[in-house]
Amino acid sequence: DVKVTQSSRYLVKRTGEKVFLECVQDMDHENMFWYRQDPGLGLRLIYFSYDVKMKEKGDIPEGYSVSREKKERFSLILESASTNQTSMYLCASSLRQGVSQPQHFGDGTRLSIL
Amino acid sequence: AQSVTQLDSQVPVFEEAPVELRCNYSSSVSVYLFWYVQYPNQGLQLLLKYLSGSTLVKGINGFEAEFNKSQTSFHLRKPSVHISDTAEYFCAVSPNTGFQKLVFGTGTRLLVSP
Repeated sequence: DVKVTQSSRYLVKRTGEKVFLECVQDMDHENMFWYRQDPGLGLRLIYFSYDVKMKEKGDIPEGYSVSREKKERFSLILESASTNQTSMYLCASSLRQGVSQPQHFGDGTRLSIL
Repeated sequence: AQSVTQLDSQVPVFEEAPVELRCNYSSSVSVYLFWYVQYPNQGLQLLLKYLSGSTLVKGINGFEAEFNKSQTSFHLRKPSVHISDTAEYFCAVSPNTGFQKLVFGTGTRLLVSP
């Protein structure tokens, strides 16, 4: 079974801090994704990566950056955290395109910015 | 661009009753369609997917969905629900060419009571 592991289930940080959210997958997937989930808004794509050192902006990249130095790890960075970034963050991975591959999700990190 | 509409934010139902969760999509190109389920405090899990072929798709846990191209719908059904089906359900769409980013609906919370 695919395992996508997010380093923290709950995280509390202060406004202005630099925040790192880590995600690791164990199935050699090429694609990795970061979403945020907010009530009534569903999941929105922040960034994705289709290969090591490659990254693409999703629908809401403002205030975020990402890093993918190794295939199995995809980090989301909040450069200067703000209260409107309080949310649930979900990481996902999938195989390279072909017939569409399902995305496999981690359990999420609930981030609170005070 | 694609979009997904889940009109019902919450669907209450009694145990052993049938249920239908509605999903409509919009796209200028051909699409793949997905239903994901999120149990409390967990990430998303794939229930079923439509890629091509038969318009009736069967998934895990007794769920099925029917793709209707003329009505641009992909409604999820289960003939008899269980308490353990209480969860949030997300419909998602991706184009069937190019990089297949998922676009999610806002989710429907299914509440099954005894």
